[in-house]
Amino acid sequence: AQSVTQLDSHVSVSEGTPVLLRCNYSSSYSPSLFWYVQHPNKGLQLLLKYTSAATLVKGINGFEAEFKKSETSFHLTKPSAHMSDAAEYFCVVSLYNFNKFYFGSGTKLNVKP
Amino acid sequence: DSGVTQTPKHLITATGQRVTLRCSPRSGDLSVYWYQQSLDQGLQFLIQYYNGEERAKGNILERFSAQQFPDLHSELNLSSLELGDSALYFCASSVSGTGGNSPLHFGNGTRLTVT
Repeated sequence: AQSVTQLDSHVSVSEGTPVLLRCNYSSSYSPSLFWYVQHPNKGLQLLLKYTSAATLVKGINGFEAEFKKSETSFHLTKPSAHMSDAAEYFCVVSLYNFNKFYFGSGTKLNVKP
Repeated sequence: DSGVTQTPKHLITATGQRVTLRCSPRSGDLSVYWYQQSLDQGLQFLIQYYNGEERAKGNILERFSAQQFPDLHSELNLSSLELGDSALYFCASSVSGTGGNSPLHFGNGTRLTVT
């Protein structure tokens, strides 16, 4: 069975400090993994994707994520938070030919001035 | 800008009514997915179409239906509306019909309010 667990429903950081949003997945097959960001009343925007090439994936707005197969994790990081990063973030797993995208429950990131 | 267009942005209607939500996918994308997002249930997959054919069904109520037209735009029809149908409805498109490493590209959604 496939599933995605976002370990924190809320994360709060100060502006200029590092961001870590945690995601674990469960999959019987080699997955593709994505992170999306959703600002209030907006659609989900693709931040980055992992598709079995390099395990460290760089995305937009300074975000990156590292695929760790041994830990079944795909945590999202950013060295220095900006106020505009305040949003909800979703970790997503997809399996080729299974025609499904599995969404985590989301992590709301709050950035304090 | 994802390239996915959803109309209208907002809909306010009464219980028992019927509405139609429209989605135009990104140029070149053959798959259209519909999702419902509410505060209590999060993001729920409703249905997927690929090149005009229904490909997958999720938690879609019998009162809801969808279709994808030859020009690849899609419509989601919601009927006999109830208060609980109030939510954000998203359309997403993808090149692939089989998931995998082709990401979803989301529109900005239609906010439906049922009064």
